[in-house]
Amino acid sequence: GAGVSQTPSNKVTEKGKYVELRCDPISGHTALYWYRQSLGQGPEFLIYFQGTGAADDSGLPNDRFFAVRPEGSVSTLKIQRTERGDSAVYLCASSLAGREREGQFFGPGTRLTVL
Amino acid sequence: GNSVTQMEGPVTLSEEAFLTINCTYTATGYPSLFWYVQYPGEGLQLLLKATKADDKGSNKGFEATYRKETTSFHLEKGSVQVSDSAVYFCALSGFSGGYNKLIFGAGTRLAVHP
Repeated sequence: GAGVSQTPSNKVTEKGKYVELRCDPISGHTALYWYRQSLGQGPEFLIYFQGTGAADDSGLPNDRFFAVRPEGSVSTLKIQRTERGDSAVYLCASSLAGREREGQFFGPGTRLTVL
Repeated sequence: GNSVTQMEGPVTLSEEAFLTINCTYTATGYPSLFWYVQYPGEGLQLLLKATKADDKGSNKGFEATYRKETTSFHLEKGSVQVSDSAVYFCALSGFSGGYNKLIFGAGTRLAVHP
């Protein structure tokens, strides 16, 4: 079956602009996660959804970052007033409910560049 | 707090050499441990996992054993190939208070030459 998909694959924007990054999880996976990976580092957790609700948003760096998952499937990560420090690869992952200990499955990522 | 420490790279090996990439962790509770691999130009792939102490995860010739007494999960392969060149990430989840998030190490780049 299809894996996790993310769009766009690359996004270049100017400082101060608003961006939206989309994630389409594996069909049937109710758990969805967003991570951010800076160059030369491991991914860092941002937010976790179980169904439609954000069960843990402790990794969001500040209130410019927001994510939604209105129908429990596709999720959108929204960044307001982008800053150069937001440049990174944003990764989405999904897993089956109750099977989180077996691992998460990642999409290819969206590379965000803020000029 | 909860964290993962893995050996710095790059690790450069000749084809058919033995590989070890060290990983140690700090965690509350009883975490699950993972190795993920990122091939050039591709996304993160789950390589192997272990969910409890003394479990051995294995896949594609790679192995790692969950050692609770040394809080380690070292990745090994007996004979590496050029196609194994990638960045390898050790990760944990299932610790107390953070059951669902993955915490990653910084990654270790492996370069295998013919």
